[in-house]
Amino acid sequence: DQQVKQNSPSLSVQEGRISILNCDYTNSMFDYFLWYKKYPAEGPTFLISISSIKDKNEDGRFTVFLNKSAKHLSLHIVPSQPGDSAVYFCAAIPAGSYQLTFGKGTKLSVIP
Amino acid sequence: DSGVTQTPKHLITATGQRVTLRCSPRSGDLSVYWYQQSLDQGLQFLIQYYNGEERAKGNILERFSAQQFPDLHSELNLSSLELGDSALYFCASSGTSGGAAYNEQFFGPGTRLTVL
Repeated sequence: DQQVKQNSPSLSVQEGRISILNCDYTNSMFDYFLWYKKYPAEGPTFLISISSIKDKNEDGRFTVFLNKSAKHLSLHIVPSQPGDSAVYFCAAIPAGSYQLTFGKGTKLSVIP
Repeated sequence: DSGVTQTPKHLITATGQRVTLRCSPRSGDLSVYWYQQSLDQGLQFLIQYYNGEERAKGNILERFSAQQFPDLHSELNLSSLELGDSALYFCASSGTSGGAAYNEQFFGPGTRLTVL
Protein backbone atom coordinates (compact mmCIF):
# COMPACT_ATOMS: atom_id res chain seq x y z
CA ASP A 1 0.00 0.00 0.00
CA GLN A 2 1.63 3.18 -1.19
CA GLN A 3 1.30 5.90 1.40
CA VAL A 4 2.94 8.60 -0.72
CA LYS A 5 1.89 8.79 -4.34
CA GLN A 6 3.27 10.75 -7.24
CA ASN A 7 0.81 9.95 -9.98
CA SER A 8 2.70 11.59 -12.84
CA PRO A 9 5.79 9.56 -13.77
CA SER A 10 6.97 12.34 -16.07
CA LEU A 11 6.46 16.01 -16.89
CA SER A 12 7.80 18.20 -19.69
CA VAL A 13 7.92 21.98 -19.38
CA GLN A 14 9.34 24.81 -21.50
CA GLU A 15 12.25 26.73 -20.10
CA GLY A 16 11.06 29.84 -18.25
CA ARG A 17 7.59 28.44 -17.50
CA ILE A 18 6.29 27.06 -14.23
CA SER A 19 6.76 23.40 -13.29
CA ILE A 20 4.20 21.95 -10.90
CA LEU A 21 4.89 18.57 -9.37
CA ASN A 22 2.18 16.92 -7.33
CA CYS A 23 2.14 14.48 -4.45
CA ASP A 24 -0.69 12.85 -2.50
CA TYR A 25 -0.47 11.00 0.79
CA THR A 26 -2.81 8.75 2.72
CA ASN A 27 -1.30 8.57 6.20
CA SER A 28 -2.74 11.29 8.42
CA MET A 29 0.17 10.78 10.85
CA PHE A 30 2.58 12.40 8.40
CA ASP A 31 3.52 15.83 9.73
CA TYR A 32 6.65 16.79 7.81
CA PHE A 33 7.13 16.72 4.08
CA LEU A 34 10.22 17.04 1.91
CA TRP A 35 11.12 17.25 -1.75
CA TYR A 36 14.29 15.74 -3.12
CA LYS A 37 15.85 16.04 -6.55
CA LYS A 38 17.85 13.22 -8.03
CA TYR A 39 20.19 13.16 -10.99
CA PRO A 40 21.26 9.84 -12.54
CA ALA A 41 24.13 8.12 -10.68
CA GLU A 42 23.81 10.48 -7.73
CA GLY A 43 22.01 10.36 -4.39
CA PRO A 44 18.85 12.38 -3.76
CA THR A 45 19.51 16.02 -2.94
CA PHE A 46 17.33 17.80 -0.41
CA LEU A 47 15.42 20.71 -1.97
CA ILE A 48 12.78 22.09 0.34
CA SER A 49 10.55 20.98 3.19
CA ILE A 50 7.36 21.98 4.97
CA SER A 51 5.89 21.26 8.35
CA SER A 52 2.22 20.38 8.68
CA ILE A 53 1.63 23.57 10.67
CA LYS A 54 2.32 25.61 7.54
CA ASP A 55 0.64 25.70 4.16
CA LYS A 56 3.46 27.25 2.16
CA ASN A 57 7.23 27.42 2.20
CA GLU A 58 9.35 29.29 -0.29
CA ASP A 59 13.03 29.11 -1.14
CA GLY A 60 14.14 31.04 -4.19
CA ARG A 61 12.56 29.53 -7.29
CA PHE A 62 11.04 26.67 -5.28
CA THR A 63 7.76 26.83 -3.38
CA VAL A 64 6.02 23.95 -1.67
CA PHE A 65 2.29 24.11 -0.92
CA LEU A 66 0.55 21.83 1.54
CA ASN A 67 -3.20 21.18 1.64
CA LYS A 68 -3.73 19.05 4.72
CA SER A 69 -7.45 18.56 4.25
CA ALA A 70 -6.85 17.15 0.76
CA LYS A 71 -3.66 15.34 1.85
CA HIS A 72 -1.92 16.93 -1.10
CA LEU A 73 1.27 18.82 -1.63
CA SER A 74 2.85 20.38 -4.65
CA LEU A 75 6.22 21.77 -5.64
CA HIS A 76 6.31 24.83 -7.89
CA ILE A 77 9.47 25.76 -9.75
CA VAL A 78 9.44 29.23 -11.30
CA PRO A 79 11.04 29.89 -13.70
CA SER A 80 12.04 26.41 -14.80
CA GLN A 81 15.58 25.98 -16.08
CA PRO A 82 17.16 23.15 -18.10
CA GLY A 83 19.33 22.30 -15.08
CA ASP A 84 16.15 21.46 -13.18
CA SER A 85 15.71 18.37 -15.35
CA ALA A 86 15.87 15.48 -12.88
CA VAL A 87 13.68 13.05 -10.97
CA TYR A 88 11.80 14.69 -8.10
CA PHE A 89 10.78 12.68 -5.08
CA CYS A 90 8.19 13.66 -2.53
CA ALA A 91 8.78 12.24 0.96
CA ALA A 92 6.92 12.32 4.25
CA ILE A 93 7.73 11.69 7.91
CA PRO A 94 5.20 10.70 10.57
CA ALA A 95 5.09 12.50 13.90
CA GLY A 96 7.64 11.13 16.36
CA SER A 97 9.67 9.41 13.66
CA TYR A 98 12.54 10.17 11.32
CA GLN A 99 11.64 7.48 8.80
CA LEU A 100 11.14 8.89 5.31
CA THR A 101 8.44 7.38 3.11
CA PHE A 102 9.08 8.24 -0.52
CA GLY A 103 6.87 8.49 -3.55
CA LYS A 104 8.10 6.81 -6.72
CA GLY A 105 9.21 10.07 -8.29
CA THR A 106 8.35 12.32 -11.23
CA LYS A 107 10.85 12.82 -14.01
CA LEU A 108 10.92 16.50 -14.98
CA SER A 109 12.29 17.52 -18.36
CA VAL A 110 12.77 21.24 -18.96
CA ILE A 111 13.02 21.94 -22.67
CA PRO A 112 15.24 24.84 -23.77
CA ASP B 1 28.36 17.43 -2.24
CA SER B 2 26.14 16.32 0.67
CA GLY B 3 29.07 15.45 2.93
CA VAL B 4 27.91 11.82 3.17
CA THR B 5 30.33 9.30 1.67
CA GLN B 6 29.67 5.72 0.65
CA THR B 7 31.98 2.96 -0.46
CA PRO B 8 32.24 1.11 -2.71
CA LYS B 9 30.49 2.86 -5.59
CA HIS B 10 29.86 -0.39 -7.44
CA LEU B 11 29.82 -3.99 -6.26
CA ILE B 12 29.34 -7.10 -8.37
CA THR B 13 28.99 -10.42 -6.64
CA ALA B 14 27.36 -13.83 -6.95
CA THR B 15 24.26 -15.32 -5.38
CA GLY B 16 24.85 -16.71 -1.92
CA GLN B 17 27.69 -14.32 -1.14
CA ARG B 18 28.00 -11.70 1.60
CA VAL B 19 28.92 -8.05 1.15
CA THR B 20 29.47 -5.02 3.37
CA LEU B 21 28.55 -1.49 2.38
CA ARG B 22 30.10 1.42 4.23
CA CYS B 23 28.83 4.90 4.99
CA SER B 24 30.36 7.94 6.67
CA PRO B 25 27.81 10.55 7.72
CA ARG B 26 28.18 14.33 7.55
CA SER B 27 30.47 15.69 10.21
CA GLY B 28 28.51 16.03 13.43
CA ASP B 29 25.46 14.03 12.35
CA LEU B 30 24.51 11.34 14.83
CA SER B 31 21.76 9.65 12.81
CA VAL B 32 22.40 7.33 9.89
CA TYR B 33 19.75 5.78 7.68
CA TRP B 34 19.91 3.09 5.02
CA TYR B 35 17.62 2.95 1.99
CA GLN B 36 17.24 0.55 -0.90
CA GLN B 37 16.20 1.71 -4.34
CA SER B 38 15.09 -0.98 -6.73
CA LEU B 39 13.45 -0.46 -10.12
CA ASP B 40 9.97 -1.52 -9.09
CA GLN B 41 9.88 -0.48 -5.43
CA GLY B 42 11.37 2.99 -5.43
CA LEU B 43 13.27 4.20 -2.36
CA GLN B 44 12.53 2.05 0.67
CA PHE B 45 13.67 2.75 4.21
CA LEU B 46 15.66 -0.10 5.72
CA ILE B 47 17.01 0.94 9.10
CA GLN B 48 18.09 3.91 11.24
CA TYR B 49 20.87 4.21 13.79
CA TYR B 50 21.36 7.04 16.25
CA ASN B 51 24.67 7.43 18.03
CA GLY B 52 25.42 3.74 17.80
CA GLU B 53 22.00 2.40 18.68
CA GLU B 54 19.30 1.05 16.39
CA ARG B 55 16.40 3.53 16.37
CA ALA B 56 13.95 2.30 13.75
CA LYS B 57 13.51 -0.59 11.36
CA GLY B 58 11.71 -0.60 8.07
CA ASN B 59 11.48 -3.18 5.32
CA ILE B 60 14.80 -4.81 6.12
CA LEU B 61 15.21 -8.52 5.43
CA GLU B 62 16.56 -10.82 8.13
CA ARG B 63 19.51 -11.56 5.84
CA PHE B 64 20.51 -7.91 6.15
CA SER B 65 21.99 -6.26 9.21
CA ALA B 66 23.61 -2.96 10.04
CA GLN B 67 25.62 -1.30 12.74
CA GLN B 68 26.96 2.11 13.63
CA PHE B 69 30.41 2.38 15.15
CA PRO B 70 31.74 4.77 17.83
CA ASP B 71 33.18 7.04 15.13
CA LEU B 72 29.60 7.19 13.73
CA HIS B 73 30.31 5.48 10.45
CA SER B 74 27.89 2.72 9.57
CA GLU B 75 28.01 -0.56 7.72
CA LEU B 76 25.21 -2.48 6.05
CA ASN B 77 25.83 -6.21 5.77
CA LEU B 78 23.94 -8.20 3.16
CA SER B 79 24.25 -11.99 3.28
CA SER B 80 22.99 -15.00 1.32
CA LEU B 81 22.53 -12.65 -1.59
CA GLU B 82 19.79 -13.26 -4.13
CA LEU B 83 19.28 -11.87 -7.61
CA GLY B 84 16.49 -9.67 -6.25
CA ASP B 85 18.90 -7.89 -3.91
CA SER B 86 20.41 -6.09 -6.89
CA ALA B 87 19.65 -2.44 -6.25
CA LEU B 88 21.07 0.92 -5.31
CA TYR B 89 21.73 1.25 -1.60
CA PHE B 90 21.77 4.75 -0.17
CA CYS B 91 22.95 5.97 3.16
CA ALA B 92 21.68 9.24 4.59
CA SER B 93 22.48 11.21 7.70
CA SER B 94 20.72 13.89 9.67
CA GLY B 95 21.54 16.33 12.41
CA THR B 96 21.71 20.02 12.95
CA SER B 97 25.12 20.54 11.34
CA GLY B 98 25.18 23.60 9.11
CA GLY B 99 21.85 24.82 10.39
CA ALA B 100 19.84 21.96 8.90
CA ALA B 101 16.58 20.97 10.50
CA TYR B 102 16.79 17.61 12.20
CA ASN B 103 14.20 16.10 9.83
CA GLU B 104 16.28 16.84 6.75
CA GLN B 105 18.24 13.84 5.60
CA PHE B 106 21.32 14.21 3.41
CA PHE B 107 22.07 11.35 1.07
CA GLY B 108 25.30 9.81 -0.10
CA PRO B 109 25.95 8.90 -3.74
CA GLY B 110 24.90 5.29 -3.23
CA THR B 111 26.38 1.85 -3.82
CA ARG B 112 25.14 -0.04 -6.84
CA LEU B 113 24.98 -3.75 -6.00
CA THR B 114 24.69 -6.28 -8.80
CA VAL B 115 24.09 -9.90 -7.87
CA LEU B 116 24.78 -12.35 -10.70
